[in-house]
This record gives sequence, structure tokens and C-alpha cells, in this order.
Amino acid sequence: DVKVTQSSRYLVKRTGEKVFLECVQDMDHENMFWYRQDPGLGLRLIYFSYDVKMKEKGDIPEGYSVSREKKERFSLILESASTNQTSMYLCASSLWESAGTGELFFGEGSRLTVL
Amino acid sequence: AQSVTQLGSHVSVSEGALVLLRCNYSSSVPPYLFWYVQYPNQGLQLLLKYTSAATLVKGINGFEAEFKKSETSFHLTKPSAHMSDAAEYFCAVSFSGYSTLTFGKGTMLLVSP
Repeated sequence: DVKVTQSSRYLVKRTGEKVFLECVQDMDHENMFWYRQDPGLGLRLIYFSYDVKMKEKGDIPEGYSVSREKKERFSLILESASTNQTSMYLCASSLWESAGTGELFFGEGSRLTVL
Repeated sequence: AQSVTQLGSHVSVSEGALVLLRCNYSSSVPPYLFWYVQYPNQGLQLLLKYTSAATLVKGINGFEAEFKKSETSFHLTKPSAHMSDAAEYFCAVSFSGYSTLTFGKGTMLLVSP
């Protein structure tokens, strides 16, 4: 069964902490994405990657960075967490040619609370 | 720029009633349109997609959507709601195979017995 796995389902961090959210996919997909989901705002794209070591800013990249050292793994980094980054974070992947026309496969999400 | 608008943040229906979730899009070029569903405590999964083939698209779990260019709409319907359909539904749009998806704000479907 194809899978996108987000290592942490729930995290609680303090303001100013560095936070790593990890995502691994086992489908050999080229594209990987990080979205943020907030009530009433839907999903907003933070960063995406079309290939190893490549990254592109999405709609709301401020306060975030990403790392893709291996094809199957895409990490979201909050250098200094703030309370307004409390949210649900969703990772997704897709084939290279299907970023816009194909199916995105989503992980179950990581709910981050910043105190 | 592409965008989607989902009318109604919450829709309530009775079990067995028609489900209608509304989505209007804005795109300067022919769009690709999608409906995704999110069950509680899960990620999103694809319900159906329109990619310029048939205007009436059938998806999983008995859902379908019709692309109406004149109305710039892609509403999601199901003839008879089940309790298991209770979830949040997202409409999304893109304008090419190499672009990214833009999601709507979501509509929570509530199904009562």
C-alpha cells in the first residue's frame, strides 16, 4: 500500500525552539509538498520540491525552511517557532509530471502546538 | 491567478438526502479541477478530478461533479448521503500539469440520522 508517513502526529514546542517535521514517501515520487491547514483558511502551500536538493517557495514560506537530501524524504524546519505557527501541517507527494493534473498523496498530518 | 471559492463552510443534510457542495473557480486558462475529502484525523484523499475530458466526472463513494464552463463551477453531488460521508471536502484548481494546486477553504459536511 502506498504511503506518505509523517513521523510525528502531535508535537508541543516552546516559542523560539527549532522544530523539525519529517515526511517520508515510499512511492518513488519526484514531487513533495508541505501544506499548512488552518480552520477557515483551507490548505496553504508552504514549500515544495521537484527533485532532490531542489526547493521552491509556495504561498506562505516566511518563517519556514525545507530540506530534501534524499528523494523519499522532505523535512520542514521552523528555525524559531512562534505561536502563530500553531497549526496542522500536511505533507504530500506526486509524480513529477502530475503536480497539477494528478493525484497528490497526503500523510495524516502533524499537529503542532507552540506555547 | 487561479483560485477557488467554496460556498458554505458547513453543510448539513439528513441521511438519504441529496448532497450538494458548491465550488466556483477562477482561472485565465482552462483549469484542472479536483475534489478531495478529509475524514477526521486523516490526511486528504482524492475523490475525483476533471482534466478536460468528460464534463461529468464520477468519483469514489458515489460522488460526482460536473464542470460547467459558462458558470465557472465544479459542484460536487451525491444522490443519497450516508453517515460515513461526514467529513471535510476541499475543491482545488490548477492550470497545468506542472503547476501546483490551489485549495479552497473547505466545506464540512454534517450528516444527521
